[in-house]
Amino acid sequence: NAGVTQTPKFRILKIGQSMTLQCTQDMNHNYMYWYRQDPGMGLKLIYYSVGAGITDKGEVPNGYNVSRSTTEDFPLRLELAAPSQTSVYFCASSPQGAQPQHFGDGTRLSIL
Amino acid sequence: DQQVKQNSPSLSVQEGRISILNCDYTNSMFDYFLWYKKYPAEGPTFLISISSIKDKNEDGRFTVFLNKSAKHLSLHIVPSQPGDSAVYFCAASAADSWGKLQFGAGTQVVVTP
Repeated sequence: NAGVTQTPKFRILKIGQSMTLQCTQDMNHNYMYWYRQDPGMGLKLIYYSVGAGITDKGEVPNGYNVSRSTTEDFPLRLELAAPSQTSVYFCASSPQGAQPQHFGDGTRLSIL
Repeated sequence: DQQVKQNSPSLSVQEGRISILNCDYTNSMFDYFLWYKKYPAEGPTFLISISSIKDKNEDGRFTVFLNKSAKHLSLHIVPSQPGDSAVYFCAASAADSWGKLQFGAGTQVVVTP
């Protein structure tokens, strides 16, 4: 059982480039989340989804977009990479809202 | 505005002793609290949770205490083991928030022999 899988694990981007961080889960969870973690800080919510076709903004959505066309996949898109988006990105899923979230191992992104 | 605070960035404890991690929150709408453990280069792993209708929850060596009037929770690990060396995050969510979690900044625990 793979759980939550994130790709790539590491990536270096130049300012202004775009990329998509992939996230897939095989637990048939309805809820999925994207967080970012900056050094010495807790995780901050970027976007979340409560089911296929439904997404909404979290605490720090600026500069990002998401889509949820299937239950399994929840990709995060950076359109114009900026140095402030250098961070570690975590995807998570849960069966419903008030239940523990299962996390992927993260994508470490550097923008230079 | 940090709604969940972990004021101790680090904690060192001897193997076999008790580890006590603290967490304070400001939002009175929070009703579900969780602790996560994180090793380097891995994602957070769920450890234990508590809802606001309880004041204590135990799972093996891990116990979480909730003091709603003080807006404070703590995690007790006893006895501490070397494998417990990790960063521990406190997180909270409100009933109408679709499970959106607010995280503290984490406490680095080091268990020494």
